[in-house]
Amino acid sequence: DAKTTQPPSMDCAEGRAANLPCNHSTISGNEYVYWYRQIHSQGPQYIIHGLKNNETNEMASLIITEDRKSSTLILPHATLRDTAVYYCIVREDKIIFGKGTRLHILP
Amino acid sequence: EAQVTQNPRYLITVTGKKLTVTCSQNMNHEYMSWYRQDPGLGLRQIYYSMNVEVTDKGDVPEGYKVSRKEKRNFPLILESPSPNQTSLYFCASSTAWTGYEQYFGPGTRLTVT
Repeated sequence: DAKTTQPPSMDCAEGRAANLPCNHSTISGNEYVYWYRQIHSQGPQYIIHGLKNNETNEMASLIITEDRKSSTLILPHATLRDTAVYYCIVREDKIIFGKGTRLHILP
Repeated sequence: EAQVTQNPRYLITVTGKKLTVTCSQNMNHEYMSWYRQDPGLGLRQIYYSMNVEVTDKGDVPEGYKVSRKEKRNFPLILESPSPNQTSLYFCASSTAWTGYEQYFGPGTRLTVT
């Protein structure tokens, strides 16, 4: 039980913002929302995480709704190197990876 | 450079021949874990360790053993490998079990014939 729901795939034009949604309607008050990505068969790479407030780092922004039941990962200027599977994870005592969203960046 | 290393990166072996996949991290992380990844099934946790001498089962622990005698190392042991353990394995570590990002190793592709 991954506790999150993500679309299986999305397309985004190169240079545009990629907005990846995630539903986590059963999230509890002390659970963080994490985002990772996996490029081909490499080890997953941490992107960002948050609890209640929106977060931004050099890679992406994370927007969490006020009720915390959903979130959106934003890659502001997608490039071909951002082609990957993106995982939204709600963590309690261990990370559970679902099937993620396969993001295709179109040239 | 902060990193998680795994060895070997690729391994082909035969059923029943004991093997160990090593995992080492140089970040003084307390939390370490092992995952396997199979097509259509995503990443599934095998075992995790919250600190030295503290290990616990993940979602798919059958057929695997682990040990955590030192903080930096967390080997995965397959006492009697079977073909259904053919998979891509990842080791990961983090500062603690919650609130911190996990760093993943490059993966070990294991084939059991």
